[in-house]
Amino acid sequence: AQSVAQPEDQVNVAEGNPLTVKCTYSVSGNPYLFWYVQYPNRGLQFLLKYITGDNLVKGSYGFEAEFNKSQTSFHLKKPSALVSDSALYFCAVRDMSNTGFQKLVFGTGTRLLVSP
Amino acid sequence: DAEITQSPRHKITETGRQVTLACHQTWNHNNMFWYRQDLGHGLRLIHYSYGVHDTNKGEVSDGYSVSRSNTEDLPLTLESAASSQTSVYFCASSESPSTDTQYFGPGTRLTVL
Repeated sequence: AQSVAQPEDQVNVAEGNPLTVKCTYSVSGNPYLFWYVQYPNRGLQFLLKYITGDNLVKGSYGFEAEFNKSQTSFHLKKPSALVSDSALYFCAVRDMSNTGFQKLVFGTGTRLLVSP
Repeated sequence: DAEITQSPRHKITETGRQVTLACHQTWNHNNMFWYRQDLGHGLRLIHYSYGVHDTNKGEVSDGYSVSRSNTEDLPLTLESAASSQTSVYFCASSESPSTDTQYFGPGTRLTVL
């Protein structure tokens, strides 16, 4: 089965500094990868996805993610963090069963705290 | 604007009671999903549906059931609530099961005493 791992429970960064939230994946075949963000007391919101094409994917709110096949990683990045970026971030990968059913498998989440 | 809503937002119930959580979407999406979110586990899939009258079990389906009688609604039922089912429940919908964006509802916080 496909899976993703988010090795950091929490990432702390000062406002204005670049941020990186890490995600590694384990898949057979071509990976379909996603990042979602969850603000307090809200549902998840889609940020960006990698299906195919350019390894650098741009998404909402100034976020981008770099797909690295050799390192099996899909790290989320932003050049300059904002306090309002503080939230819970989830990496996800498409998983396809033997019956052809497709679903998303989520990582355990990384809490990002941006200090003023 | 299209949206996905869940009700109630908060629910406290007792062990053994039947509980139904509602999910309603106006995106006209065929695909709908129920997840539970627990600390240290991320989101885990409970049930999903590809369309009217279609329902399928996810990875943590024991003790839960769903029915899909129309495109807009996918209610989640806990047949006999257990304390282990205390969690935050999210409903989601999408046009494609995996390659398209999943749109999430605001969640229901369920406490089973």
